[in-house]
Amino acid sequence: KAGVTQTPRYLIKTRGQQVTLSCSPISGHRSVSWYQQTPGQGLQFLFEYFSETQRNKGNFPGRFSGRQFSNSRSEMNVSTLELGDSALYLCASSRDRGQETQYFGPGTRLLVL
Amino acid sequence: GQQVMQIPQYQHVQEGEDFTTYCNSSTTLSNIQWYKQRPGGHPVFLIQLVKSGEVKKQKRLTFQFGEAKKNSSLHITATQTTDVGTYFCADLDYNQGGKLIFGQGTELSVKP
Repeated sequence: KAGVTQTPRYLIKTRGQQVTLSCSPISGHRSVSWYQQTPGQGLQFLFEYFSETQRNKGNFPGRFSGRQFSNSRSEMNVSTLELGDSALYLCASSRDRGQETQYFGPGTRLLVL
Repeated sequence: GQQVMQIPQYQHVQEGEDFTTYCNSSTTLSNIQWYKQRPGGHPVFLIQLVKSGEVKKQKRLTFQFGEAKKNSSLHITATQTTDVGTYFCADLDYNQGGKLIFGQGTELSVKP
């Protein structure tokens, strides 16, 4: 069974630009969560999607948004990029909401210049 | 909001020594999960603890959940160089679906 895939793996953007990251969950998994990982703040929850609906949201500004498609694939978008948005963005999938095991993808490393 | 504190932040050990990382919360934890992240990698699920006082073992790794469900620990016996990485605890609040609240992690380095 293929694992969680994320594209692109690396990305360089400049301040003010926007970016879209993609996540394909494990086949059969319906829940996708997104996390931001930085050296200073650690792993922080962004949002969770299930059945194409955002079910939960972390404490991030409205510049961070996402969506989920009918095949459970998910995208997250960050608009008006700031230097502080440089981070590793991880998505994790699970079969259902609140399932025991969340499987993380390799992440997208975003650098904002 | 809820916070999960993890100590120590860094731990350097000689190969063969034991290692322990601690996870604490001021509020009752719902379910503790432990993850390992190798350098340059992504978090990989290790185990979940649900019950008060629960103890689980995976080879040289021993996981404990406190009686009051406010703390947890991961102990590695006789560390090996393959144990290098950052170990995270995270609280999975079922009331909030798949939301994991992570501790800051303990970075383990093992000197051969």
